[in-house]
Amino acid sequence: DAGVIQSPRHEVTEMGQEVTLRCKPISGHDYLFWYRQTMMRGLELLIYFNNNVPIDDSGMPEDRFSAKMPNASFSTLKIQPSEPRDSAVYFCASRKKAGGYTFGSGTRLTVV
Amino acid sequence: GNSVTQMEGPVTLSEEAFLTINCTYTATGYPSLFWYVQYPGEGLQLLLKATKADDKGSNKGFEATYRKETTSFHLEKGSVQVSDSAVYFCALSRDNQGGKLIFGQGTELSVKP
Repeated sequence: DAGVIQSPRHEVTEMGQEVTLRCKPISGHDYLFWYRQTMMRGLELLIYFNNNVPIDDSGMPEDRFSAKMPNASFSTLKIQPSEPRDSAVYFCASRKKAGGYTFGSGTRLTVV
Repeated sequence: GNSVTQMEGPVTLSEEAFLTINCTYTATGYPSLFWYVQYPGEGLQLLLKATKADDKGSNKGFEATYRKETTSFHLEKGSVQVSDSAVYFCALSRDNQGGKLIFGQGTELSVKP
């Protein structure tokens, strides 16, 4: 079991550029979550999917953020255009129904 | 709404000292409660959990008891080690909300030899 795999581990981009973060959940997990971690706001839930369907996106900060899950083994979180205040660590996590969470190692995004 | 409040850090202790990190929650109904640990540069790992009142979760010498009367889930360890240095997060989830985790702000623990 390779766990939840996120890529890239680190991303540095210029303000205004598009950024795409990727996540491969654990096979057989029904739920996928995207979290953002910053010093100021701690860990915030951005969006979660159940069986590839977005269920709650109320945490997505604004229209510049979008997330997709085209199949059970892949999800993306896209920021377009990126801004310096988007700098954070973005975590993906997956779980089975009534099961425990497994978190990925995160993507550290820096927007300059 | 549902929320979690943790004691502020950082907490600095000497090796073999007793650890308590306070956590209280606000939630309707009966949430499940968790402690997660985050080591530098890594993702979060489940440390322990409790799913109903008076349950005690335990792992690696850490313990926490689900206290509904005080809406608390304080983390304790009798003798900390340098390797316990990390950030600790208290969290709750409600199954009727997709099991999404709501985290406290985290408490950084530093253990000195």
